[in-house]
Amino acid sequence: DAKTTQPPSMDCAEGRAANLPCNHSTISGNEYVYWYRQIHSQGPQYIIHGLKNNETNEMASLIITEDRKSSTLILPHATLRDTAVYYCIVRGWQSGGSNYKLTFGKGTLLTVNP
Amino acid sequence: DSGVTQTPKHLITATGQRVTLRCSPRSGDLSVYWYQQSLDQGLQFLIQYYNGEERAKGNILERFSAQQFPDLHSELNLSSLELGDSALYFCASSVDPRQETQYFGPGTRLLVL
Repeated sequence: DAKTTQPPSMDCAEGRAANLPCNHSTISGNEYVYWYRQIHSQGPQYIIHGLKNNETNEMASLIITEDRKSSTLILPHATLRDTAVYYCIVRGWQSGGSNYKLTFGKGTLLTVNP
Repeated sequence: DSGVTQTPKHLITATGQRVTLRCSPRSGDLSVYWYQQSLDQGLQFLIQYYNGEERAKGNILERFSAQQFPDLHSELNLSSLELGDSALYFCASSVDPRQETQYFGPGTRLLVL
């Protein structure tokens, strides 16, 4: 699976949009970009994933550049409860394979300030 | 609430002992994954089961073993425990190994004294 690079920490004001970047310059054509978050020692929580197109759900939006070498997770109106470590994960599909693990890096600690 | 349950929530034991962690996947999920999160290693994949069969192994020590039962719940057995085994242990489940989304349980916090 491709390696990802994220800033170690970011701050955001409550009510503002939080934009979390992720670089994955070695991503290959069949690899998806996933975002999870972990709120202080709780189990990681799935947020969103995408392949090529931008995606949006009730939690966030995912913007993937045209060359797919980077992406941005957008939390449109951050709240204090969004303070967490956000993980960007690139995960491949191995046709006929059996290993679909998630490889977590160090992630970005997003702190939402009042 | 992800629908994945793990017991116990906390476990305190001594070095050299053996413990069993239990995971019940979401209803309908056939695949179970175990992860370990320690302060120095971060979140690491240990092992994956699908419908009772082992499918993949990660950084799992030989002292650790797991199984998935016919009712699809899974157990992670940790033996000859060492201080360094103190960590959070998470279980995740998905419908099948190709399903993108893994749903994580709340974890079991293990403290080895």
